[in-house]
Amino acid sequence: GAGVSQTPSNKVTEKGKYVELRCDPISGHTALYWYRQSLGQGPEFLIYFQGTGAADDSGLPNDRFFAVRPEGSVSTLKIQRTERGDSAVYLCASSFRNRSYNEQFFGPGTRLTVL
Amino acid sequence: AQSVTQPDIHITVSEGASLELRCNYSYGATPYLFWYVQSPGQGLQLLLKYFSGDTLVQGIKGFEAEFKRSQSSFNLRKPSVHWSDAAEYFCAVGMRANNLFFGTGTRLTVIP
Repeated sequence: GAGVSQTPSNKVTEKGKYVELRCDPISGHTALYWYRQSLGQGPEFLIYFQGTGAADDSGLPNDRFFAVRPEGSVSTLKIQRTERGDSAVYLCASSFRNRSYNEQFFGPGTRLTVL
Repeated sequence: AQSVTQPDIHITVSEGASLELRCNYSYGATPYLFWYVQSPGQGLQLLLKYFSGDTLVQGIKGFEAEFKRSQSSFNLRKPSVHWSDAAEYFCAVGMRANNLFFGTGTRLTVIP
């Protein structure tokens, strides 16, 4: 079946602009995660959704970052007043939460470049 | 606080040689442990995972990893490396359905 998809694959924007990054999880997966991967680093957790609600948003770096998942499927990560330091690959993952573990399936990421 | 350490930033091995990538973690309890591989332009792919039970776990592509509680380690191994194994490898820890904490990765180069 189809995996996690993310659009766009690349996004170039100017400092101060607003951007939206989209994630389509695997059908039926109830949990959705956003991570940010800076150059030379491992992915860093941003936010986790269980259904429509954000179960853990402790990784969002500041209030310029916001994410929604209004219908419990597609999610959008929104970044206001972008800064050059926001340049990174933004990864989305989804999982079918069960009682014992979550295996997260990752999308290919969106590479964001802020000029 | 949780942390994952991958001490080797870059490893080069010859095709056919054995491989061991190191991972040490710091966590409040025994976490769930994972190894992911990331090829250029590709998403992270799960190689293997450890939750409980047998401390030697088998994964895809001929990889295995051993959990050693006394050393807080979860090293990844492969007996014979193939050129297609060249990629970035990430160790990660997590608890149940929560977020994952990743190490900084080890880049593997395979020479003919």
